[in-house]
Amino acid sequence: DTAVSQTPKYLVTQMGNDKSIKCEQNLGHDTMYWYKQDSKKFLKIMFSYNNKELIINETVPNRFSPKSPDKAHLNLHINSLELGDSAVYFCASSPEGSSGNTIYFGEGSWLTVV
Amino acid sequence: GNSVTQMEGPVTLSEEAFLTINCTYTATGYPSLFWYVQYPGEGLQLLLKATKADDKGSNKGFEATYRKETTSFHLEKGSVQVSDSAVYFCALNDGNKLVFGAGTILRVKS
Repeated sequence: DTAVSQTPKYLVTQMGNDKSIKCEQNLGHDTMYWYKQDSKKFLKIMFSYNNKELIINETVPNRFSPKSPDKAHLNLHINSLELGDSAVYFCASSPEGSSGNTIYFGEGSWLTVV
Repeated sequence: GNSVTQMEGPVTLSEEAFLTINCTYTATGYPSLFWYVQYPGEGLQLLLKATKADDKGSNKGFEATYRKETTSFHLEKGSVQVSDSAVYFCALNDGNKLVFGAGTILRVKS
């Protein structure tokens, strides 16, 4: 059973399109995250939600809009895609907060904007 | 703010060699420390963690000790295998998020 699952795994799309990546966790965790990994493998947090409420928004362009319909889901919608949005996007979850608790990551969504 | 610095890679070793990947951190207080591994084409997996000073995390032959005096959490393995080839990330918790180092690519040759 996959603990944190995200779809699609691969996505190739044209500049200017709007796309969504979906994420679900079946671990019963309260906190969910989106991280971005760039072409140099550098990982940076984008958003964090706790029980459907936004708690971290790390200076991400407002073309990116996370939505959490319930605490088990955190979807990422991206408007007007740009070439620089090409990256791997990781969804993750943890028990309340991350202090000392393990963060569990999904397998990643490889987004290529052409 | 809190940050993590890892040794630059790639690190290339022969099978059965000893591995050290250096990691140092800057933080207020005493954060929990983690090593994550990313195998080619896959997501991130927790390798090991330590939540307080002098704790040693270990898993799959890898180990790292939380050293408060040197603010370090170096990853070691006594004998690497080809299957250990991956990217290794050191991280610390900063409030409600993880802050990662830049990652170190490890290549193990047979």
